[in-house]
Amino acid sequence: QKEVEQNSGPLSVPEGAIASLNCTYSDRGSQSFFWYRQYSGKSPELIMSIYSNGDKEDGRFTAQLNKASQYVSLLIRDSQPSDSATYLCAVGETGGFKTIFGAGTRLFVKA
Amino acid sequence: DGGITQSPKYLFRKEGQNVTLSCEQNLNHDAMYWYRQDPGQGLRLIYYSQIVNDFQKGDIAEGYSVSREKKESFPLTVTSAQKNPTAFYLCASSSTVIAGQPQHFGDGTRLSIL
Repeated sequence: QKEVEQNSGPLSVPEGAIASLNCTYSDRGSQSFFWYRQYSGKSPELIMSIYSNGDKEDGRFTAQLNKASQYVSLLIRDSQPSDSATYLCAVGETGGFKTIFGAGTRLFVKA
Repeated sequence: DGGITQSPKYLFRKEGQNVTLSCEQNLNHDAMYWYRQDPGQGLRLIYYSQIVNDFQKGDIAEGYSVSREKKESFPLTVTSAQKNPTAFYLCASSSTVIAGQPQHFGDGTRLSIL
């Protein structure tokens, strides 16, 4: 059973701080990785895709991938109360058609 | 604007009843998916479709059925065989079904038992 593991949280950070969200996955051959944001009662929204080892930056968001350690993270700089949501890590199945989703980490940004 | 439309937003099912959830996309995507989300859990794949008139079972297909008669449409029927249907149902699409493509989601349908 391929798995994606995330700390359920909640992770609480003050406004303006850096929030660090982490994810590990079991499928060693995975090549595609995604972060989604899901506000309470809403559907997931794609924030970042990352396919290569290293960092990928998009505005206040940075995704970090380490395939050797089977670890992917999301950093949110200058966190805002509007960033308070559940963040889902998702990993593409090796040679298959499925995307495996983690259960998500709840983030609270305190004003 | 391109996107995925799910309807209805809320749905109530009576005992022994089949209900159908609608999903329409105008993104010209080939692949479409149905997921179920329960509180505190990740998304679980019910069915997916790579192309018109073709679909495959996901991890929790029992008690559900789908059709893909048009590229734009991928309705999900929750049958009476699904004994615990209360959940948030999400439809998604991607340009292809290859796992490397990101998926885009509709707004979801909340299904409850009366």
